[in-house]
Amino acid sequence: SQQGEEDPQALSIQEGENATMNCSYKTSINNLQWYRQNSGRGLVHLILIRSNEREKHSGRLRVTLDTSKKSSSLLITASRAADTASYFCAILEVGYAGNMLTFGGGTRLMVKP
Amino acid sequence: ETGVTQSPTHLIKTRGQQVTLRCSSQSGHNTVSWYQQALGQGPQFIFQYYREEENGRGNFPPRFSGLQFPNYSSELNVNALELDDSALYLCASSLPGTVDTEAFFGQGTRLTVV
Repeated sequence: SQQGEEDPQALSIQEGENATMNCSYKTSINNLQWYRQNSGRGLVHLILIRSNEREKHSGRLRVTLDTSKKSSSLLITASRAADTASYFCAILEVGYAGNMLTFGGGTRLMVKP
Repeated sequence: ETGVTQSPTHLIKTRGQQVTLRCSSQSGHNTVSWYQQALGQGPQFIFQYYREEENGRGNFPPRFSGLQFPNYSSELNVNALELDDSALYLCASSLPGTVDTEAFFGQGTRLTVV
């Protein structure tokens, strides 16, 4: 079973709007990571947030982490058509080595031009 | 491009057959993990290799096995293929020694079992 549950499963917005995706999980984590996948191919790492961090930024991406609620959100600001992809959260559970990730089911984002 | 290459990109096999998928990790990465991604779902962790030894395994049966070679490249072998094994298989390499490490994924091998 998958630890991370993402919400919404699908999201359709207009170019220029912001997109927010949420991820919830069940166990204690070392870190939480967000990945993007285009057209069912390889995953691209977007951002990693450690369990003792609350917010992190990278370009147009903003990630928050609330360990008390076991949830995270990914915000993409000023979206572009090229942001159309599936986005996955992945957790690294406590006791697991790096690169043993547990992924959520993903949010499929469509950005309309 | 992540520097992680997988081969082949597509493969069709018959139920009951065996398959070998290959992965070359990014230069300097001696940790390789394999994931299975069924259509419409997130990737699921199969196992990880570090310095040619399996050092972690997900909830997959023993007919899923692997190897890592001295040059850190890796193979995933699946015996007695079942229809449900049809999926995208992803390999990811990373640096060792820390939990806060980014995983670099290859483009995947899409396996279809008929």
